[in-house]
Amino acid sequence: TQLLEQSPQFLSIQEGENLTVYCNSSSVFSSLQWYRQEPGEGPVLLVTVVTGGEVKKLKRLTFQFGDARKDSSLHITAAQPGDTGLYLCAAPGGGTSYGKLTFGQGTILTVHP
Amino acid sequence: GAVVSQHPSWVICKSGTSVKIECRSLDFQATTMFWYRQFPKQSLMLMATSNEGSKATYEQGVEKDKFLINHASLTLSTLTVTSAHPEDSSFYICSATSGRPYGYTFGSGTRLTVV
Repeated sequence: TQLLEQSPQFLSIQEGENLTVYCNSSSVFSSLQWYRQEPGEGPVLLVTVVTGGEVKKLKRLTFQFGDARKDSSLHITAAQPGDTGLYLCAAPGGGTSYGKLTFGQGTILTVHP
Repeated sequence: GAVVSQHPSWVICKSGTSVKIECRSLDFQATTMFWYRQFPKQSLMLMATSNEGSKATYEQGVEKDKFLINHASLTLSTLTVTSAHPEDSSFYICSATSGRPYGYTFGSGTRLTVV
């Protein structure tokens, strides 16, 4: 079972600040996904990265996949209160865990106006 | 896009009763569905994987007799929490995939409260 270590667990910042969330593993990922979840809702997919070194942008969000495909980061520029939520990285397993998504511990982001 | 409907969104039940949660893929055939459990301010923990027409595969530590999973069709999976107890109170989320790479769609979750 591949473990995903996500950090930080909690992040409380002021509107306009920048932040970065990290997702690391000792295993190599075939792909990695980032989700955002609001209270009382299911996770919503933000992005999927599949190529080592890949960088994807979604408005103020920048996602990076490490060259060795063992780590990923999510950077938010000029955070807004609407960015508040639980951010999760996830990766599908291989072998006997094929198709199963393993999630990181999650990062609870609170952006204060 | 792919849509997964989960019902009910919340349920309160008495201790000792059973509760059924439904997960439907509305516009695609879900060859595999996953059931997760989530505690407040924590990540999702996979409980079981179900493939249409076959028995579910449960993760280590999940009681298969307590959490009954049925995946009778390519669009419907159900999770039944049997003889529920207060410690079963949690947020349960389903996910479905048609087998398309990276294609996981999540339901909106069910908040179960056992009193």
